[in-house]
Amino acid sequence: EVQLVESGGGLVKPGGSLKLSCVVSGLPFSPAWMSWVRQAPGKGLEWVGRMKSKGGGGTTDYATAVKGRFIISRDDSQNTLYLLMNSLQIEDTALYYCAWIPKCSDGACYLDRWGQGTLVTVSP
Amino acid sequence: DIQMTQSPSSVSASVGDRVTITCRASQGISTWLAWYQQKPGKAPKVLIYGASNLQSGVPSRFSGSGSGTDFTLTISSLQPEDFATYYCQQANSLPWTFGQGTKVEF
Repeated sequence: EVQLVESGGGLVKPGGSLKLSCVVSGLPFSPAWMSWVRQAPGKGLEWVGRMKSKGGGGTTDYATAVKGRFIISRDDSQNTLYLLMNSLQIEDTALYYCAWIPKCSDGACYLDRWGQGTLVTVSP
Repeated sequence: DIQMTQSPSSVSASVGDRVTITCRASQGISTWLAWYQQKPGKAPKVLIYGASNLQSGVPSRFSGSGSGTDFTLTISSLQPEDFATYYCQQANSLPWTFGQGTKVEF
Protein backbone atom coordinates (compact mmCIF):
# COMPACT_ATOMS: atom_id res chain seq x y z
CA GLU A 1 0.00 0.00 0.00
CA VAL A 2 1.26 3.42 -0.94
CA GLN A 3 1.58 5.77 2.01
CA LEU A 4 3.12 9.16 2.61
CA VAL A 5 2.73 10.11 6.24
CA GLU A 6 3.66 13.57 7.44
CA SER A 7 4.26 14.43 11.08
CA GLY A 8 5.80 17.11 13.25
CA GLY A 9 3.25 19.86 12.85
CA GLY A 10 2.01 21.89 15.77
CA LEU A 11 1.75 25.30 17.36
CA VAL A 12 4.84 27.49 17.36
CA LYS A 13 5.50 31.14 18.15
CA PRO A 14 6.69 33.61 15.51
CA GLY A 15 10.44 33.34 15.13
CA GLY A 16 10.43 29.72 16.21
CA SER A 17 11.46 26.56 14.40
CA LEU A 18 9.80 23.27 13.55
CA LYS A 19 10.91 20.15 11.70
CA LEU A 20 8.44 18.13 9.67
CA SER A 21 8.92 14.54 8.56
CA CYS A 22 7.38 12.53 5.75
CA VAL A 23 7.75 8.75 5.75
CA VAL A 24 7.17 7.06 2.40
CA SER A 25 6.19 3.43 1.92
CA GLY A 26 5.03 1.42 -1.06
CA LEU A 27 6.93 3.64 -3.51
CA PRO A 28 10.56 3.78 -4.62
CA PHE A 29 11.97 6.55 -2.46
CA SER A 30 15.70 6.84 -3.13
CA PRO A 31 15.42 7.37 -6.91
CA ALA A 32 12.54 9.81 -6.54
CA TRP A 33 12.46 13.55 -6.30
CA MET A 34 10.31 14.79 -3.43
CA SER A 35 8.49 18.03 -2.76
CA TRP A 36 6.71 19.99 -0.06
CA VAL A 37 3.53 21.94 -0.81
CA ARG A 38 1.50 23.96 1.66
CA GLN A 39 -2.03 25.25 1.86
CA ALA A 40 -3.07 28.04 4.19
CA PRO A 41 -6.54 27.66 5.70
CA GLY A 42 -9.15 28.29 3.01
CA LYS A 43 -6.52 29.16 0.42
CA GLY A 44 -4.90 27.57 -2.61
CA LEU A 45 -1.85 25.39 -3.03
CA GLU A 46 1.61 26.90 -2.67
CA TRP A 47 4.77 25.06 -3.71
CA VAL A 48 7.38 25.18 -0.93
CA GLY A 49 10.35 23.36 -2.40
CA ARG A 50 11.76 20.14 -3.74
CA MET A 51 14.76 17.88 -3.40
CA LYS A 52 16.20 15.82 -6.19
CA SER A 53 17.28 12.23 -5.64
CA LYS A 54 20.84 11.71 -4.45
CA GLY A 55 21.53 10.13 -7.83
CA GLY A 56 20.19 13.25 -9.48
CA GLY A 57 22.50 15.46 -7.45
CA GLY A 58 20.44 15.80 -4.27
CA THR A 59 20.00 19.51 -4.84
CA THR A 60 17.22 21.55 -3.31
CA ASP A 61 15.17 24.47 -4.59
CA TYR A 62 12.71 26.66 -2.75
CA ALA A 63 9.88 29.07 -3.21
CA THR A 64 10.81 32.72 -2.92
CA ALA A 65 8.73 33.09 0.27
CA VAL A 66 10.72 30.46 2.19
CA LYS A 67 14.18 30.62 0.66
CA GLY A 68 16.82 31.12 3.35
CA ARG A 69 14.46 30.02 6.12
CA PHE A 70 13.40 26.48 5.17
CA ILE A 71 15.68 23.50 4.51
CA ILE A 72 14.66 20.25 2.86
CA SER A 73 16.67 17.09 3.49
CA ARG A 74 16.20 13.36 3.10
CA ASP A 75 17.32 10.09 4.64
CA ASP A 76 17.06 7.41 2.00
CA SER A 77 17.86 4.68 4.53
CA GLN A 78 14.68 5.63 6.38
CA ASN A 79 12.58 6.55 3.32
CA THR A 80 12.04 9.90 5.00
CA LEU A 81 11.86 13.47 3.77
CA TYR A 82 12.29 16.41 6.13
CA LEU A 83 11.41 20.07 6.19
CA LEU A 84 13.22 22.24 8.71
CA MET A 85 11.41 25.53 9.11
CA ASN A 86 13.22 28.40 10.79
CA SER A 87 12.22 31.99 11.55
CA LEU A 88 8.58 31.04 11.24
CA GLN A 89 6.09 33.77 10.49
CA ILE A 90 2.35 33.94 10.98
CA GLU A 91 1.90 33.64 7.21
CA ASP A 92 3.61 30.22 7.31
CA THR A 93 0.49 28.84 9.00
CA ALA A 94 -0.71 26.09 6.69
CA LEU A 95 -1.28 22.41 6.11
CA TYR A 96 2.02 21.04 4.81
CA TYR A 97 1.93 18.19 2.31
CA CYS A 98 4.79 16.08 1.07
CA ALA A 99 4.55 14.74 -2.46
CA TRP A 100 6.36 12.13 -4.55
CA ILE A 101 7.58 13.02 -8.01
CA PRO A 102 7.84 10.00 -10.33
CA LYS A 103 9.10 11.76 -13.41
CA CYS A 104 10.70 15.04 -14.32
CA SER A 105 11.67 14.86 -17.96
CA ASP A 106 10.35 15.18 -21.50
CA GLY A 107 8.14 18.11 -20.66
CA ALA A 108 6.46 16.41 -17.72
CA CYS A 109 7.17 16.90 -14.04
CA TYR A 110 4.37 16.36 -11.57
CA LEU A 111 3.42 15.54 -8.00
CA ASP A 112 1.95 12.08 -8.25
CA ARG A 113 1.33 10.89 -4.72
CA TRP A 114 0.58 13.09 -1.72
CA GLY A 115 0.37 12.65 2.00
CA GLN A 116 -2.58 13.87 4.04
CA GLY A 117 -0.64 16.78 5.46
CA THR A 118 0.45 18.05 8.84
CA LEU A 119 -0.82 21.34 10.24
CA VAL A 120 1.57 24.07 11.27
CA THR A 121 0.16 27.00 13.21
CA VAL A 122 2.31 30.04 13.91
CA SER A 123 0.74 32.24 16.55
CA PRO A 124 1.95 34.51 19.39
CA ASP B 1 8.55 33.79 -10.72
CA ILE B 2 6.14 32.56 -13.36
CA GLN B 3 2.57 33.57 -12.58
CA MET B 4 -0.17 31.07 -13.35
CA THR B 5 -3.61 32.60 -13.80
CA GLN B 6 -6.68 30.40 -13.92
CA SER B 7 -10.08 31.41 -15.18
CA PRO B 8 -12.73 31.38 -14.10
CA SER B 9 -12.15 31.39 -10.34
CA SER B 10 -15.39 29.48 -9.96
CA VAL B 11 -17.92 27.93 -12.27
CA SER B 12 -21.45 26.80 -11.65
CA ALA B 13 -22.35 23.70 -13.58
CA SER B 14 -24.71 20.75 -13.66
CA VAL B 15 -24.22 17.04 -14.09
CA GLY B 16 -23.63 16.31 -17.76
CA ASP B 17 -22.25 19.75 -18.58
CA ARG B 18 -19.02 20.29 -20.47
CA VAL B 19 -16.68 22.36 -18.32
CA THR B 20 -13.53 24.12 -19.51
CA ILE B 21 -10.96 25.71 -17.23
CA THR B 22 -8.17 27.88 -18.58
CA CYS B 23 -4.68 28.40 -17.21
CA ARG B 24 -2.37 31.08 -18.54
CA ALA B 25 1.34 31.32 -17.76
CA SER B 26 3.09 34.68 -17.55
CA GLN B 27 5.80 33.28 -19.83
CA GLY B 28 6.20 30.22 -22.01
CA ILE B 29 6.41 26.90 -20.20
CA SER B 30 6.29 24.47 -23.15
CA THR B 31 4.25 21.51 -21.86
CA TRP B 32 5.56 21.54 -18.29
CA LEU B 33 2.07 21.77 -16.86
CA ALA B 34 0.02 19.54 -14.60
CA TRP B 35 -3.59 19.69 -13.45
CA TYR B 36 -4.77 18.60 -10.00
CA GLN B 37 -8.16 18.01 -8.44
CA GLN B 38 -8.75 18.67 -4.76
CA LYS B 39 -11.85 17.80 -2.79
CA PRO B 40 -12.58 19.36 0.62
CA GLY B 41 -10.43 17.89 3.37
CA LYS B 42 -8.44 15.76 0.94
CA ALA B 43 -5.01 15.92 -0.62
CA PRO B 44 -4.76 16.96 -4.27
CA LYS B 45 -4.76 14.30 -6.96
CA VAL B 46 -2.99 14.64 -10.30
CA LEU B 47 -5.24 14.39 -13.35
CA ILE B 48 -3.07 15.52 -16.26
CA TYR B 49 0.69 15.88 -16.68
CA GLY B 50 2.80 17.15 -19.53
CA ALA B 51 -0.19 19.35 -20.45
CA SER B 52 -2.14 16.57 -22.14
CA ASN B 53 -1.22 13.19 -20.65
CA LEU B 54 -3.99 11.53 -18.67
CA GLN B 55 -2.75 10.07 -15.40
CA SER B 56 -3.42 6.37 -14.99
CA GLY B 57 -6.78 5.68 -13.42
CA VAL B 58 -8.25 9.09 -14.25
CA PRO B 59 -11.52 8.93 -16.21
CA SER B 60 -11.29 9.74 -19.90
CA ARG B 61 -13.83 12.56 -19.56
CA PHE B 62 -10.87 14.63 -18.35
CA SER B 63 -8.56 16.03 -20.99
CA GLY B 64 -5.86 18.66 -21.19
CA SER B 65 -4.43 20.69 -24.02
CA GLY B 66 -2.13 23.59 -24.73
CA SER B 67 1.49 24.54 -24.98
CA GLY B 68 3.51 27.65 -24.34
CA THR B 69 1.38 30.01 -22.28
CA ASP B 70 -2.23 28.87 -22.72
CA PHE B 71 -3.69 25.65 -21.41
CA THR B 72 -7.11 24.15 -20.86
CA LEU B 73 -8.60 21.41 -18.74
CA THR B 74 -11.86 20.04 -20.08
CA ILE B 75 -14.37 17.80 -18.36
CA SER B 76 -16.51 16.49 -21.19
CA SER B 77 -19.51 15.43 -19.11
CA LEU B 78 -19.48 16.54 -15.50
CA GLN B 79 -20.18 13.83 -12.94
CA PRO B 80 -21.26 14.30 -9.30
CA GLU B 81 -17.81 13.29 -8.06
CA ASP B 82 -16.16 16.02 -10.17
CA PHE B 83 -17.38 18.88 -8.00
CA ALA B 84 -14.05 20.03 -6.58
CA THR B 85 -11.34 22.65 -6.93
CA TYR B 86 -8.87 22.35 -9.79
CA TYR B 87 -5.32 23.71 -9.90
CA CYS B 88 -2.75 24.04 -12.64
CA GLN B 89 0.98 23.92 -11.82
CA GLN B 90 4.03 24.71 -13.89
CA ALA B 91 7.38 22.95 -13.59
CA ASN B 92 9.21 24.65 -16.44
CA SER B 93 11.07 27.14 -14.27
CA LEU B 94 11.99 27.40 -10.63
CA PRO B 95 10.26 28.17 -8.42
CA TRP B 96 7.39 25.93 -9.45
CA THR B 97 4.07 27.71 -9.12
CA PHE B 98 0.37 26.88 -8.91
CA GLY B 99 -2.62 28.70 -10.26
CA GLN B 100 -5.03 30.13 -7.73
CA GLY B 101 -7.60 27.40 -8.30
CA THR B 102 -10.98 27.02 -9.96
CA LYS B 103 -13.91 25.78 -7.93
CA VAL B 104 -16.48 23.74 -9.84
CA GLU B 105 -19.77 23.89 -7.98
CA PHE B 106 -23.51 23.46 -8.47
